Amino acid sequence: SYELTQPLSVSVALGQTARITCGGNNIGSKNVHWYQQKPGQAPVLVIYSDSNRPSGIPERFSGSNSRNTATLTIGRAQAGDEADYFCQVWDSSTVVFGGGTKLTVL
Amino acid sequence: QVTLRESGPALVKPTQTLTLTCTFSGFSLRTSGMCVSWIRQPPGKALEWLARIDWDDDKYYSTSLKTRLTISKDTSKNQVVLTMTNMDPVDTATYYCARTEEEDCYMDVWGKGTTVTVSS
Repeated sequence: SYELTQPLSVSVALGQTARITCGGNNIGSKNVHWYQQKPGQAPVLVIYSDSNRPSGIPERFSGSNSRNTATLTIGRAQAGDEADYFCQVWDSSTVVFGGGTKLTVL
Repeated sequence: QVTLRESGPALVKPTQTLTLTCTFSGFSLRTSGMCVSWIRQPPGKALEWLARIDWDDDKYYSTSLKTRLTISKDTSKNQVVLTMTNMDPVDTATYYCARTEEEDCYMDVWGKGTTVTVSS
């Protein structure tokens, strides 16, 4: 079965750029989606199909996907961006989630 | 405005069958391209996808759980029902339903989730 690998944690200084990776075999050939989850809340879609932002998601959130790594980039990180982030793909008629990355804003 | 709400028992005993209902508004499962997924999250752990049902009644299941899961829809009531048999304490989790886009399978609107504890 397909696997997605995310770092357990990423730290970023306030106002700087955070990058969260999602690794998978030839993930560049798939559409990758990203979710933000704050404590006690349901996940929120922040990027879909590699690099598209749903309405209401700030332009500071962007995504890319190439070869074996997809990346969620959060520019000008704010305290409110502190959350868990999950990547997701559709593979072989099943949904696969990454293990999640905890973003800490210092 | 699209909303989804999960409902079901908060506590089930081991070996029992869990039945969860997702009641939604703001879209229809009669509309081409619309789907609903169920996802769960054990305390402190990652998201785990369970099942998806499409507007045309296509159904998809988690490989590891498919023998225990059944997903169905009632389009007249705007509801999707998930049943999971033979519940075990490891199935203790928050269960979410989410509207899902058919082609790329992303979940753009989620319910708040319902917490299910499996204990005797």
